[in-house]
Amino acid sequence: DAKTTQPTSMDCAEGRAANLPCNHSTISGNEYVYWYRQIHSQGPQYIIHGLKNNETNEMASLIITEDRKSSTLILPHATLRDTAVYYCIVRPPRGGSQGNLIFGKGTKLSVKP
Amino acid sequence: SQTIHQWPATLVQPVGSPLSLECTVEGTSNPNLYWYRQAAGRGLQLLFYSVGIGQISSEVPQNLSASRPQDRQFILSSKKLLLSDSGFYLCAWRLAGSSDTQYFGPGTRLTVL
Repeated sequence: DAKTTQPTSMDCAEGRAANLPCNHSTISGNEYVYWYRQIHSQGPQYIIHGLKNNETNEMASLIITEDRKSSTLILPHATLRDTAVYYCIVRPPRGGSQGNLIFGKGTKLSVKP
Repeated sequence: SQTIHQWPATLVQPVGSPLSLECTVEGTSNPNLYWYRQAAGRGLQLLFYSVGIGQISSEVPQNLSASRPQDRQFILSSKKLLLSDSGFYLCAWRLAGSSDTQYFGPGTRLTVL
């Protein structure tokens, strides 16, 4: 699976958009970009995933660059409850180990009032 | 809708004692099931995964074992706990044959003293 690089931490003001970057310069053509988050002392929560087109759901938007070497997760109106560690994961469809995910260190997002 | 349960939520055990953590999934059939561990301040490590009853694959050799006695039940066990077994244990499920999206349970925090 391709390696991802994320900033260790970020701050965001409550009500503002949170933009979380992820670099995946070695991504292959069939690898998807997944985003999860983990609120303190809880299990990871799926947010969104995409291949090449931008995606949006009720939680967030995912913007993938045209060369697919980086992406940005956007939380349009961050709330205090969005404070969590955000993980960017790249993997091929139904790849090895029957779909297991490899979580890195992620970005700790702190939303401040 | 699908739900995933884990128990107990927290556990404090002495070194050398046995362990049994349980995970059950509701609302789906023949899921892929996963056990992960998260040590303090570190990322998630895949321990075991299962694609069906009685089918267990181990990702990391250690003193833990897993079993799947029923379609939607996944058990993590140890005969003798070590201090290094302390951590946050997470169970996850994925719909077999679909995307790689995994859904995590609330976790069990294990402290070995």
